[in-house]
Amino acid sequence: NAGVTQTPKFRVLKTGQSMTLLCAQDMNHEYMYWYRQDPGMGLRLIHYSVGEGTTAKGEVPDGYNVSRLKKQNFLLGLESAAPSQTSVYFCASSLAGYNEQFFGPGTRLTVL
Amino acid sequence: AQSVTQLDSHVSVSEGTPVLLRCNYSSSYSPSLFWYVQHPNKGLQLLLKYTSAATLVKGINGFEAEFKKSETSFHLTKPSAHMSDAAEYFCVDSGGYNKLIFGAGTRLAVHP
Repeated sequence: NAGVTQTPKFRVLKTGQSMTLLCAQDMNHEYMYWYRQDPGMGLRLIHYSVGEGTTAKGEVPDGYNVSRLKKQNFLLGLESAAPSQTSVYFCASSLAGYNEQFFGPGTRLTVL
Repeated sequence: AQSVTQLDSHVSVSEGTPVLLRCNYSSSYSPSLFWYVQHPNKGLQLLLKYTSAATLVKGINGFEAEFKKSETSFHLTKPSAHMSDAAEYFCVDSGGYNKLIFGAGTRLAVHP
């Protein structure tokens, strides 16, 4: 099993450009999450999904959109990137809301 | 608001000496607590979890943590540090349904 995978691993954008980050899991987990990690702040939840076709806002959702069209995939979109969105983005999945989460390797995004 | 406080942002030990990483939580309910480790440029890996079955929890790579309700603490320990333990460690509270509340992290350095 590959676990949780993320595409791409690195990306550099210019301000105003758009992009989509892809997360895939092969553990048949219902719940999926997108986090951002910034120095000294731990991980902060952007959006999450409790099942196929559902999404919900987390702690820092502004400037991001998500979609969960298939159970195994969770996409994070940036419609108009800003320098404040420079960060490392992690996807995670879990069997249920109270279970441990399994994390992907991360995507390092720089917005110039 | 629920929070997780990691009392040390940096801890430095010599190889072969004990490790203590301190964590306090503020849940008013019975928490589910986790310790995750993040090696440089990697995703987060679960070290151990507490879910009320036992107050002393054993994890991978020789780590263990003790849940102390009276002190609202969940400190992580290891009897003898190894060079490969150098990483960042996160104490995490389940925060209730669908949420993980992260501490800010403790960076562990291990010196020869």
